[in-house]
Order: sequence, then C-alpha cells, then structure tokens
Amino acid sequence: KQEVTQIPAALSVPEGENLVLNCSFTDSAIYNLQWFRQDPGKGLTSLLLIQSSQREQTSGRLNASLDKSSGRSTLYIAASQPGDSATYLCAVTTNDYKLSFGAGTTVTVRA
Amino acid sequence: DAGVIQSPRHEVTEMGQEVTLRCKPISGHDYLFWYRQTMMRGLELLIYFNNNVPIDDSGMPEDRFSAKMPNASFSTLKIQPSEPRDSAVYFCASSFSWQRNYEQYFGPGTRLTVT
Repeated sequence: KQEVTQIPAALSVPEGENLVLNCSFTDSAIYNLQWFRQDPGKGLTSLLLIQSSQREQTSGRLNASLDKSSGRSTLYIAASQPGDSATYLCAVTTNDYKLSFGAGTTVTVRA
Repeated sequence: DAGVIQSPRHEVTEMGQEVTLRCKPISGHDYLFWYRQTMMRGLELLIYFNNNVPIDDSGMPEDRFSAKMPNASFSTLKIQPSEPRDSAVYFCASSFSWQRNYEQYFGPGTRLTVT
C-alpha cells in the first residue's frame, strides 16, 4: 500500500522568506505526483502536476521537483506572501489509478 | 466547462437518517472518484468508477455506505443509516483516461454533519 508522508506538519515563516515543503512516498511505481492547496473549509486547488517521467514543474513562484527513484518531492514557494497561508497536500497516482494523499503541511506566512 | 459539481454543499442531518450526496463529473471524463476528508484520517479514497462501473470499493467503510453511477454524468454516494462519525467533507473528482497525466479534478465538496 502506498504511504505518503509530508514534513513538516506545520510551518510558520515571515513574509518574503522562501518555503520548502517535503513529500515522500513508499512505492516509486507512480504515474504522477500532484501538489494541492486547501484553504480552511474549502476544496482542493491543484497547483502543480509532475508526470513520472518529469523531474520538475514550475508555475510562477512555485516549483516542484520529483525524484521518483528515492520517492521524494519538494515544493518550493519563492518570496512567500500572507496569501500563501494554507494547507498544502501532496498526492501520488499509483498503478491502480488511485490517488494517495499525505496529511498535509499547514503554512502560516506572517506579515 | 463548469468543473465537477457537487450537491448539496452542506448537509446537516440527524443520526439514523439517510443521506444522499450527488456529483456531476466533467463532461467527457470516464473516471469518477469519491473521497472523504476528516481531521483524524485525512483524505481517503472511498470508491471509484470507470465508464460507470465500480472498479474498487475497498475504501468504503461499511455496508451503510453505497455508491452508484447510473450514467456518465451523475453519481450518488448514499449513507443509510447515518452516524455522527460519518461527519466529514466528501469530495468527488473526475478524470479522463485519454489524458495521459491522469490528473484528477476535484469538486468543491459536501460538508456533512450528523448530529
């Protein structure tokens, strides 16, 4: 069974600092890895999707890397802003087409 | 496209009542997924369908839970009878198998409270 772990569980940084969120998974046989954002009481917003053949994806201030062989992904958010405060979820799609989620990292950016 | 549509957005019911959650996937998508999110267990896959056929229901917690997909544009998740521990946010997602990246698109969720 695929296990997805996110470290740290919570993170608080001052505005302007870069954010580094980590995700690890136990089974490297994946189709893709997705990073989602979830605001309190809201749904999931897809941020980035990295296919298994890719090493990284970038969107604006966001950059996600994938090392499938070691079962790791990192989400970098440059020059953090208070609006980046949310919970960030990592999820992998496995060969049985299922999406397995980590527990999330809750980020607080202090103004 | 309007995206994945779920209804109702909020549901409050009493223990023992039947609850039906509804989902309309993105038009043309052939996979549909139901997830449940709780503080204790995070996001869990309950069941998924391919071309309206249930493929894997191993995540369905108990016989009180059932899901159907009578056609390509509609699915229901039913809980009968409901219990307070069923209180959670239920998400529906859909994807298109021809889209090789297997990306899933999520609906806004239904927040269920069972008192």
